[in-house]
Amino acid sequence: QKEVEQDPGPLSVPEGAIVSLNCTYSNSAFQYFMWYRQYSRKGPELLMYTYSSGNKEDGRFTAQVDKSSKYISLFIRDSQPSDSATYLCAMSASEYKLSFGAGTTVTVRA
Amino acid sequence: NAGVTQTPKFQVLKTGQSMTLQCAQDMNHNSMYWYRQDPGMGLRLIYYSASEGTTDKGEVPNGYNVSRLNKREFSLRLESAAPSQTSVYFCASSSGASSYNSPLHFGNGTRLTVT
Repeated sequence: QKEVEQDPGPLSVPEGAIVSLNCTYSNSAFQYFMWYRQYSRKGPELLMYTYSSGNKEDGRFTAQVDKSSKYISLFIRDSQPSDSATYLCAMSASEYKLSFGAGTTVTVRA
Repeated sequence: NAGVTQTPKFQVLKTGQSMTLQCAQDMNHNSMYWYRQDPGMGLRLIYYSASEGTTDKGEVPNGYNVSRLNKREFSLRLESAAPSQTSVYFCASSSGASSYNSPLHFGNGTRLTVT
């Protein structure tokens, strides 16, 4: 069983919709939780991070962590065509070694 | 501002051939990494270098070797390529230990096919 499982998608939503992305994990030692965004043919880039249970907002993006359920989510409000990308969750229990989800590809239709 | 530069962008090898993937960063980062990305598997760490002069194995090191040439450059070598090494390879760097406050900065990848 993988340490990090991510909803595989793909997701296709109309512009303006709310996008919900989810990951579950099995390693209770994970302390830091990140979301990376990867555009087609590009490397991933850090989008958001959290290190405690609860919600964190950054503009149209909200990251949610529930450590008791080992579950993290990313919500994108008022989605735009420019949000079309693959979103990767990532978690860290030790230095230098992140565990990544397989990614969810999102397409926002204009 | 180049960030992390990887060469080549594409490569096709025959089974048994060798090659070196090159990576350079211009952000004065201490740590560098090699990942591979396969469909349904996510990014998996091959090797990393916490600082100049050190290298350590990641999750999937078999079949690969690395060299931290200097602070800027970190190369990945396939000595005898196998079809199972067909993948997209990403180099990344970070100022310190990769975490939320020392995020990874990725290059744009090398797409390798082994026939």
